[in-house]
Amino acid sequence: EVKVGESGGVVVQPGGSLTLSCAASGFAFDDHVMHWVRQAPGKGLEWVSTVNWDGSVTYYTESVKGRFAVSRGNSKNSLYLQMNYLSVDDTAMYYCARGGNTNLDAFGFWGQGTLVTVSS
Amino acid sequence: QSVLTQPPSMSAAPGQRVIISCFGSSSNIGNNHVSWYHQIPGTAPKLLIYDNNKRPSGIPDRFSGSKSDTSATLDITGLQTGDEGAYYCATWDYRLGGWVFGGGTKLT
Repeated sequence: EVKVGESGGVVVQPGGSLTLSCAASGFAFDDHVMHWVRQAPGKGLEWVSTVNWDGSVTYYTESVKGRFAVSRGNSKNSLYLQMNYLSVDDTAMYYCARGGNTNLDAFGFWGQGTLVTVSS
Repeated sequence: QSVLTQPPSMSAAPGQRVIISCFGSSSNIGNNHVSWYHQIPGTAPKLLIYDNNKRPSGIPDRFSGSKSDTSATLDITGLQTGDEGAYYCATWDYRLGGWVFGGGTKLT
């Protein structure tokens, strides 16, 4: 059974840093592109970042470029999102999603999300 | 303001049919496949349609998708109460260099 599960969401002060993790199982992790998608309270879905199978190619939405860094540990079947210089606008549920073989393939499986709250 | 435009809300009775639209441009829908997601409040989104019109295993054929030029539609027939929630379209945008989502359509 395919599973992805996020962790690491907490309350953090503006300007702070945080690293989210996503543990995957039930599929060949290094065969798949992985994504982070977030959803602010009461709002729609917003794509955050994408990483290719070996971590050598990454993509980010404009608002997080230079502040967030996506990485993966294929030996641990894990995906990470390092978030720096957090602002209140980053408050959201963060979802890890499994993609396909390329960055153009749909988000096939989603985790339940981890909540990041940026507040003083 | 989302790059992809969806109607904010729609309503229909059980058993009826609803068609949700998604409008984009040549840099996104016009040149890439569209996928659709369903999200029940308090839960994670779920893939309904990928590559414009393909259903993952386990998704009933009451759900169908299509694409024409720079727009896409999700067609749901035989509505059930479990179909309530938000529906999102998504695709890659070459100009932005990333994925874009529609603003979501809340189906009641």
